Amino acid sequence: QKEVEQDPGPLSVPEGAIVSLNCTYSNSAFQYFMWYRQYSRKGPELLMYTYSSGNKEDGRFTAQVDKSSKYISLFIRDSQPSDSATYLCAMRVYSSASKIIFGSGTRLSIRP
Amino acid sequence: SQTIHQWPATLVQPVGSPLSLECTVEGTSNPNLYWYRQAAGRGLQLLFYSVGIGQISSEVPQNLSASRPQDRQFILSSKKLLLSDSGFYLCAWRGTEDSPLHFGNGTRLTVT
Repeated sequence: QKEVEQDPGPLSVPEGAIVSLNCTYSNSAFQYFMWYRQYSRKGPELLMYTYSSGNKEDGRFTAQVDKSSKYISLFIRDSQPSDSATYLCAMRVYSSASKIIFGSGTRLSIRP
Repeated sequence: SQTIHQWPATLVQPVGSPLSLECTVEGTSNPNLYWYRQAAGRGLQLLFYSVGIGQISSEVPQNLSASRPQDRQFILSSKKLLLSDSGFYLCAWRGTEDSPLHFGNGTRLTVT
């Protein structure tokens, strides 16, 4: 079993829809949770970063962490065609310099 | 503000040739530095990380090596490339223990 599971998609939704992207994990030691957006042929760009359970909002993006269920989500409101990209979740243990685990990414397409 | 530079953006090399990819970070000191490889449709695989000059940790045995000759410079090398070394190579940095990873724009390597 992978430490981090992420549905690869592709996920296609109409412009303006609310998008929900999810990851589950098995290691209860994970304490930091990140979401990255990656456009084709570019490096991942940090979108959201949190270390606590609950919701964190930044503009149209909301990151949700449920440590009891080992489940994290990224919600995108009022989705735009420019949101079409691959979204990667990532998580790590506090004390380790190296142990940052990434999901395999969900490919999202927003239809105009 | 901090920026990360990675070059070249694309590279085509024959099997058996050497490799040198360079990454530099500006605007910070003593960063943690990382090399990842991303295969098509797959997640990010950590190759090497460094917490200081001359300190390199390898995560997977392979045909590659890394060096950190200066505080903000990280180099990925190979003496003889294999076909299986083809992929998208990403350099990343992190500041404090609490901060997330920030990625460069990557190098797409094709070994022919």
